[in-house]
Amino acid sequence: ILNVEQSPQSLHVQEGDSTNFTCSFPSSNFYALHWYRWETAKSPEALFVMTLNGDEKKKGRISATLNTKEGYSYLYIKGSQPEDSATYLCALSDAGNNRKLIWGLGTSLAVNP
Amino acid sequence: ETGVTQSPTHLIKTRGQQVTLRCSSQSGHNTVSWYQQALGQGPQFIFQYYREEENGRGNFPPRFSGLQFPNYSSELNVNALELDDSALYLCASSLGPIGNSPLHFGNGTRLTVT
Repeated sequence: ILNVEQSPQSLHVQEGDSTNFTCSFPSSNFYALHWYRWETAKSPEALFVMTLNGDEKKKGRISATLNTKEGYSYLYIKGSQPEDSATYLCALSDAGNNRKLIWGLGTSLAVNP
Repeated sequence: ETGVTQSPTHLIKTRGQQVTLRCSSQSGHNTVSWYQQALGQGPQFIFQYYREEENGRGNFPPRFSGLQFPNYSSELNVNALELDDSALYLCASSLGPIGNSPLHFGNGTRLTVT
């Protein structure tokens, strides 16, 4: 059974702090890695879809890196703001499983003003 | 562009009943996926439809079934409801079934089975 793990499970930071969290996944049969942000009372929003080892993507203050050989991705938030408070989910698209997405449980981020 | 819409937003059903949830995909998207999110869990893949055909299925029993229509909207049907079916059901559309297309989610349907 394929497992996507995210750590930490939850995180509290002060406004202005930079933070990062991890998504770990089995490296065999890798096809793509997705990151989503899910704010309370809203629907999940796609942040990044990454496919190449060494890929780095950036969207405003949020960036992500990918290491497919060792099976991890980092999500970084620079200068956290209260509006960054959300659950951040990663999902693995597995080539050996018809490319369907396998989801982690998420990292819940709370940014205190 | 029109986003993904789901209906109803909330639903209460009794064990043993049947339910139909609906999803309109974002314009231009031909693929719809359905997910179940139980409390404290990540989204669990139910199935995906691409051009009106099922294109992948997760570990859900046959009483979970679906349809996709020519306009790419979709339905999720659950028969013989069980208490454990209580969850948030999310629909997501994408440009294609390939795993490198980002998903666009609706706001979900909250199903409570009593």
